[in-house]
Amino acid sequence: GAVVSQHPSRVICKSGTSVKIECRSLDFQATTMFWYRQFPKQSLMLMATSNEGSKATYEQGVEKDKFLINHASLTLSTLTVTSAHPEDSSFYICSANPRRETQYFGPGTRLLVL
Amino acid sequence: QKEVEQNSGPLSVPEGAIASLNCTYSDRGSQSFFWYRQYSGKSPELIMFIYSNGDKEDGRFTAQLNKASQYVSLLIRDSQPSDSATYLCAVNMFDRDDKIIFGKGTRLHILP
Repeated sequence: GAVVSQHPSRVICKSGTSVKIECRSLDFQATTMFWYRQFPKQSLMLMATSNEGSKATYEQGVEKDKFLINHASLTLSTLTVTSAHPEDSSFYICSANPRRETQYFGPGTRLLVL
Repeated sequence: QKEVEQNSGPLSVPEGAIASLNCTYSDRGSQSFFWYRQYSGKSPELIMFIYSNGDKEDGRFTAQLNKASQYVSLLIRDSQPSDSATYLCAVNMFDRDDKIIFGKGTRLHILP
């Protein structure tokens, strides 16, 4: 099946620092990628839709200045959590569609902000 | 508000029995439907997708879709302990971004 990778898989940082998470489609091109966040024992929450060559579309309640998204190529989208705080600690997952009918997830990045 | 509803569970099923997971959706215009499995601490993995009314079988899994009732289900035959996970129902909005909306998931526990 289609492969989506994420890096890093786990990151621990101090409060106030910025953290960048990369999402790559390894064997297909993705004009659109999606970023989700999942808190423990809760459901996936869509944060934003990343569009190659244009601005990301953010879901209601997600601060675009705090969660910066860049989709610079057809195989790479990045999510930067700026000035991270402990409440930003979560499991961040990206996904991409190799074709219209399906969506595959990356392995996720676990962020812990101290 | 477009929504996907699932019973959160946990749903406990004896090993070897059939597990039945249900999902309803609110948007009648939805065209495609997905079931994902998520193990604790891992990201979701796609099990099946279905577009047409009726049943779709893949190994021990059968997806059932009833668009008139806005209902989709997943049956797991011969349940195994390794099937214990959270199962997420998802619906493709087929909007400009091909956004997929997820239900909150049903926790399934297969009893050995």
